[in-house]
Amino acid sequence: GQQLNQSPQSMFIQEGEDVSMNCTSSSIFNTWLWYKQDPGEGPVLLIALYKAGELTSNGRLTAQFGITRKDSFLNISASIPSDVGIYFCAGRYNNNDMRFGAGTRLTVKP
Amino acid sequence: DGGITQSPKYLFRKEGQNVTLSCEQNLNHDAMYWYRQDPGQGLRLIYYSQIVNDFQKGDIAEGYSVSREKKESFPLTVTSAQKNPTAFYLCASTRRSTEAFFGQGTRLTVV
Repeated sequence: GQQLNQSPQSMFIQEGEDVSMNCTSSSIFNTWLWYKQDPGEGPVLLIALYKAGELTSNGRLTAQFGITRKDSFLNISASIPSDVGIYFCAGRYNNNDMRFGAGTRLTVKP
Repeated sequence: DGGITQSPKYLFRKEGQNVTLSCEQNLNHDAMYWYRQDPGQGLRLIYYSQIVNDFQKGDIAEGYSVSREKKESFPLTVTSAQKNPTAFYLCASTRRSTEAFFGQGTRLTVV
């Protein structure tokens, strides 16, 4: 199946710092999605991207759909303690199955 | 409120038993998915269904079975053939080409 490479695997940052993570794929996608998962819970959608080159913000979060349709990044500005969790990227091509990256585990130190 | 509901939240299975995990959605979504998550790992696709009475295997379908008799429901059975079933199971649903929403998950433990 299609593989998504998500990096970094984990990040340890100080409160107030900015964060950047990305996903790359060997295949193209029509949709890129970014989710956050808290321990023992299901992932919650943060941002959805539907067009190559699209740049979308949701509060302190900004994500972009790469122009090649094979990559996407997520930035978090001015991190706060509640940003702690695992962030996943996901890609979809038309109505085919949805594939996830392995996740980026974010720790924010006060 | 519309949403996607998984039950039970915790499930314990004895060796050699089949167990069924429930996933129900009232979002009128066409597609539904089952993923498995192991500690510190990402989500691996077990099965997905795009329409009623049709489903496709994902990357790790062995030892699992599903059915899609109703649009709202996509139960997952973990059979005795699944040798390492202890994991966190997540169900998701989506309309065509839109974002997916997840249930709260079921944690299955073999005792």
